[in-house]
Formats: sequence, C-alpha cells, structure tokens
Amino acid sequence: GAGVSQTPSNKVTEKGKYVELRCDPISGHTALYWYRQSLGQGPEFLIYFQGTGAADDSGLPNDRFFAVRPEGSVSTLKIQRTERGDSAVYLCASSYSSGNTDTQYFGPGTRLTVL
Amino acid sequence: KNEVEQSPQNLTAQEGEFITINCSYSVGISALHWLQQHPGGGIVSLFMLSSGKKKHGRLIATINIQEKHSSLHITASHPRDSAVYICAVRSLAGTASKLTFGTGTRLQVTL
Repeated sequence: GAGVSQTPSNKVTEKGKYVELRCDPISGHTALYWYRQSLGQGPEFLIYFQGTGAADDSGLPNDRFFAVRPEGSVSTLKIQRTERGDSAVYLCASSYSSGNTDTQYFGPGTRLTVL
Repeated sequence: KNEVEQSPQNLTAQEGEFITINCSYSVGISALHWLQQHPGGGIVSLFMLSSGKKKHGRLIATINIQEKHSSLHITASHPRDSAVYICAVRSLAGTASKLTFGTGTRLQVTL
C-alpha cells in the first residue's frame, strides 16, 4: 500500500550540472503531475502525464527542463545546466485518472539545492 | 494578481480557538482543493469541493461559487493542526487536471 515515492529526498548539486529526479506513482494511477515549490510559495505546475504522454507541459520554465514517463508508471524529471534559481522542492503527484473528481496524491518531494 | 489568493498568510492561535482561513480565486473552476503541508513533509489532500460544504472531524470547508470564495474552518484547534494550509483550484480553462495553488497560510497553534 505504498503511496507516491520520490528519490532522492535531497539533492545538492553545483551550478551547471545535470540532475534527474524520480517519481514512483501509486500503482494503477494513470495521471502523474510534477510541481515545483519555492521557499514560502505554493507549488507551481510543471508538467502533466496521462499514461506515457505529456498531456500538458506548459509549466516547464524553459528547455533545460524535460520529463519522461516511458512505461506509463515511473517518471523522471531532468534538469540540464542547473542554475541557482532552480533550487526548490520538486513535488510529484498521481491520480487514478485525470477527471475533475480525482484526488491527487502527493509524494514527499525532492529538495534540490543548486550551489 | 495571482489566480488564487489566501488570507491570512500567517496565523497564530491558542489551543481550542476556532480558526478560519480564506481563499479567493479569479477564474472559473471545476473544483477547489484544501491541502495540508507539514514542515519537511508531503502534501495531504483534506477536501475537494465543487459546491456547498464538507466536514471531516474538526475540519469544515465551504465554497461559494458565485463569489469565487472558499473557507477552511478548524474547530477546537490543537497544536498538531500546526501546518501550512494551501488552497488549490482546477481551472475550467486549459488543462482541467492541473492545479493552481495559493501561497498557503502558515498556522501555528500554541498551548
């Protein structure tokens, strides 16, 4: 009965490096969401998957950010050439489907610090 | 102006007090969510509303669609209620599934 899990829980990297953040959704959930939460702010939408495809990636801030979900389960958020402004908590959520009545279940987040 | 505004930003209450957190939004929505986030912890969904009122234990959430406003009430508050409470909406425009969040209300309940 595992919930949404995210790894790593903390990631410290240097400016310019590449990072990958992983999300394991609840088994059977077809919808998966990535959000980013800066200190003192509410989460902001990044990208949403329905199955294997990105249904909406309008929240990705620029082309350094990319996400995949090749088998419709685990998703990886990839950030190239990291910048200090990328420091935030990256949250993943999943839901059974993408309907308006579906509850999103959140993971604990990955805290990314770019030095 | 943010699509979702919460007030107050910070709230300190004594144990036992009745607490109200407000959320206003500026877009048409299909649903509104109240979420709870503990320090260093994940986010837990408390309520999802599209109309009226819902109650769960000491928590009550109401929404007025015409006024684009929702409130979260906590009765008989307790120190374990200390957390950040976040309002989020599902907009009718664009991707209906994604959530747009308020900045949160940080609640501290003291003994």
